[in-house]
Amino acid sequence: GAVVSQHPSRVICKSGTSVKIECRSLDFQATTMFWYRQFPKQSLMLMATSNEGSKATYEQGVEKDKFLINHASLTLSTLTVTSAHPEDSSFYICSASFRDTDTQYFGPGTRLTVL
Amino acid sequence: DAKTTQPTSMDCAEGRAANLPCNHSTISGNEYVYWYRQIHSQGPQYIIHGLKNNETNEMASLIITEDRKSSTLILPHATLRDTAVYYCIVRGEFNQFYFGTGTSLTVIP
Repeated sequence: GAVVSQHPSRVICKSGTSVKIECRSLDFQATTMFWYRQFPKQSLMLMATSNEGSKATYEQGVEKDKFLINHASLTLSTLTVTSAHPEDSSFYICSASFRDTDTQYFGPGTRLTVL
Repeated sequence: DAKTTQPTSMDCAEGRAANLPCNHSTISGNEYVYWYRQIHSQGPQYIIHGLKNNETNEMASLIITEDRKSSTLILPHATLRDTAVYYCIVRGEFNQFYFGTGTSLTVIP
């Protein structure tokens, strides 16, 4: 149980384009989803927290207009990287938790490369 | 910011117990300690969590000191597949996880 998927697993795009990454909880209802970014040889950095049906809360230094997060249902959250640039190239990971528990279950990650 | 500190790296012989320490001296009374591990280029995998009692599951044991300021994750019989970065986490005010640098465990044949 507690499986989280991400799609796509890898994406390569041109500079200036937008990319959408999906995060799904497959066997539970995720009241809260989290988005992280991880650069090579670094730890995970929390970008934002989203609760179903409400606006995401972004961490300091993360541009909310550049990283659009939608959590429209209890099983799906999306992260859209708008006007992507090479410095946005990173490993993006989502996680999900359900009501009354703090345990987060992580997706397999999405490798974004911006050319 | 992460509320935990861990050694940067450790080695362990295959078949031996791996003991990974973590300091969380600012933990408050109702905060759990979580352990995850990340194998290269994958999402973190949940291992175990605890509040104040020792915990054990099929993957590992978690020993939390009585004052709760530190804990130790024990992998009883390390295998090569346990080579990973291990993260000890205490959640933030709104249930966020702030990852520290973790401990890179290398299991040696």
